[in-house]
Amino acid sequence: EAGVAQSPRYKIIEKRQSVAFWCNPISGHATLYWYQQILGQGPKLLIQFQNNGVVDDSQLPKDRFSAERLKGVDSTLKIQPAKLEDSAVYLCASSFGARGYGYTFGSGTRLTVV
Amino acid sequence: GIQVEQSPPDLILQEGANSTLRCNFSDSVNNLQWFHQNPWGQLINLFYIPSGTKQNGRLSATTVATERYSLLYISSSQTTDSGVYFCAVERGGYQKVTFGTGTKLQVIP
Repeated sequence: EAGVAQSPRYKIIEKRQSVAFWCNPISGHATLYWYQQILGQGPKLLIQFQNNGVVDDSQLPKDRFSAERLKGVDSTLKIQPAKLEDSAVYLCASSFGARGYGYTFGSGTRLTVV
Repeated sequence: GIQVEQSPPDLILQEGANSTLRCNFSDSVNNLQWFHQNPWGQLINLFYIPSGTKQNGRLSATTVATERYSLLYISSSQTTDSGVYFCAVERGGYQKVTFGTGTKLQVIP
């Protein structure tokens, strides 16, 4: 079974620029999650999709971050404009359903904002 | 929101030693997971354990939901066990997942 695919693997941008990350979950997984992991900390949930609907985005900085999940499959996370404190690893995960079974993470995108 | 604290924050073991990692959470949860994040950053699910005890090889986990804690046991540690161990709790209608603070484990030969 293919895992959760993420791209790009690394990205370096200047502050105030925009950036987008892409995630392709495991086939059949209804729930998709985006996490932000700052160095030395645990992952922090940014947004959770159930199929193509948002069920939790309480920790998403909506003034600069946006996310969508097209047709309940692939998802993109965008930051515009980026700040220095956005430097982190952005992790995508997916699971069978809302109960989290089959929880699988992608390899992440390491973002550096300079 | 719910608080998830892990201890110890750092742990250094000699290869072959045993260890116990602890996860305390501040409110009732529907499920609890343990993850291992390897030195390359990949997160791997180890256990789904809302209550009771499970074992998988040299690893086992116990969750006492009524007392709001979970323990991860690592026996006969190997260098490949190095990395960061996270517990993550699920609660709410859509099973929002909150990660703990992590335990960084280093196993030396």
